[in-house]
Amino acid sequence: EPEVTQTPSHQVTQMGQEVILRCVPISNHLYFYWYRQILGQKVEFLVSFYNNEISEKSEIFDDQFSVERPDGSNFTLKIRSTKLEDSAMYFCASSPGDRAHEQYFGPGTRLTVT
Amino acid sequence: SQELEQSPQSLIVQEGKNLTINCTSSKTLYGLYWYKQKYGEGLIFLMMLQKGGEEKSHEKITAKLDEKKQQSSLHITASQPSHAGIYLCGADTGNQFYFGTGTSLTVIP
Repeated sequence: EPEVTQTPSHQVTQMGQEVILRCVPISNHLYFYWYRQILGQKVEFLVSFYNNEISEKSEIFDDQFSVERPDGSNFTLKIRSTKLEDSAMYFCASSPGDRAHEQYFGPGTRLTVT
Repeated sequence: SQELEQSPQSLIVQEGKNLTINCTSSKTLYGLYWYKQKYGEGLIFLMMLQKGGEEKSHEKITAKLDEKKQQSSLHITASQPSHAGIYLCGADTGNQFYFGTGTSLTVIP
């Protein structure tokens, strides 16, 4: 069964460094999303992406963040100049074109900023 | 913002018992989704409800969306240890997707 994959599973970085979190969505899906979950808190929406552009973003998704679909398979989240409070699980999701909100989530990347 | 409250926050049941988790919204729900999250892992899509009064089942899990479309319940029949995890409801507001506060389920063998 197709699934969303994410790499790495765990990323440790120093404050101020840039990180790129990678996702491979399900191949025929058209919508892509990033969420984060700070330990012990709610899952929070960051951004949705469709047709090679951002379709929606939350107030969390400020200039520190950017997303890209560099090729036909990868979907990346870049965090510039990481802060301690960026430590969280980051989930990628994708959904099919005809069922946009039937989202399938990846296993997540745990980002630890030290 | 769309607020989704789940109850209870945590639940411990004996294997074989039935249980219900509720998700209440302060606004009308245009799409209500249930996910399961195993501890430290990703979210697994369970089911989606869109119409008031709709009910869906998957194996021993049944979800309903009430007529007024502001509350949903998830019912597990004859719970098993494999049902343990965090259950999250999610709501589609048309622009963004919000998650509920989560319900942690422990099933004691």
